[in-house]
Amino acid sequence: ELKVEQNPLFLSMQEGKNYTIYCNYSTTSDRLYWYRQDPGKSLESLFVLLSNGAVKQEGRLMASLDTKARLSTLHITAAVHDLSATYFCAVDTHTDKLIFGTGTRLQVFP
Amino acid sequence: EPEVTQTPSHQVTQMGQEVILRCVPISNHLYFYWYRQILGQKVEFLVSFYNNEISEKSEIFDDQFSVERPDGSNFTLKIRSTKLEDSAMYFCASSTSGRWNEQFFGPGTRLTVL
Repeated sequence: ELKVEQNPLFLSMQEGKNYTIYCNYSTTSDRLYWYRQDPGKSLESLFVLLSNGAVKQEGRLMASLDTKARLSTLHITAAVHDLSATYFCAVDTHTDKLIFGTGTRLQVFP
Repeated sequence: EPEVTQTPSHQVTQMGQEVILRCVPISNHLYFYWYRQILGQKVEFLVSFYNNEISEKSEIFDDQFSVERPDGSNFTLKIRSTKLEDSAMYFCASSTSGRWNEQFFGPGTRLTVL
């Protein structure tokens, strides 16, 4: 069964600092998504990574995909409080379903 | 911009009661999904639906669950006899062409079973 693991599960970081969230998955897939979720809210699509080596950037967030290593990263540059949320990666399987990672709860403090 | 909508936003029910959660997918989408998220946990796939039939379902989606597209716009999830452990946020999603196409998520329905 496909497993998707994120680390860290919880990240408390100071404003202005950089950090990376890792998403490892256990089977072949060429597509991976990153979502943001605020407490009690829905899933906001951040990035769609469609192939090996894909890199996408939006503001202070940058996501990459290495399908050979079965690894995606979400890099945060110069964190600000507004980035505080839970971040999920989700792997597109060879069937119809997405398999979500465990989530990383990010808290940015002054 | 088209979006997936869900009603109600919050449903409270007694254990053993039936509930129906409703979703209106994006109008030109053909594939529909339900996911659930127990509080504080990850999002889990329940079922996918295409061409008026289930295309895949998870172990969670047992005989207590059913899905239906009763008309051209709504997509429903029915839980026949709710249990305490069914308390969760339920997300509907839709996509244009299923596999390898991005799924768009609705705002969710929070189900509380007492």
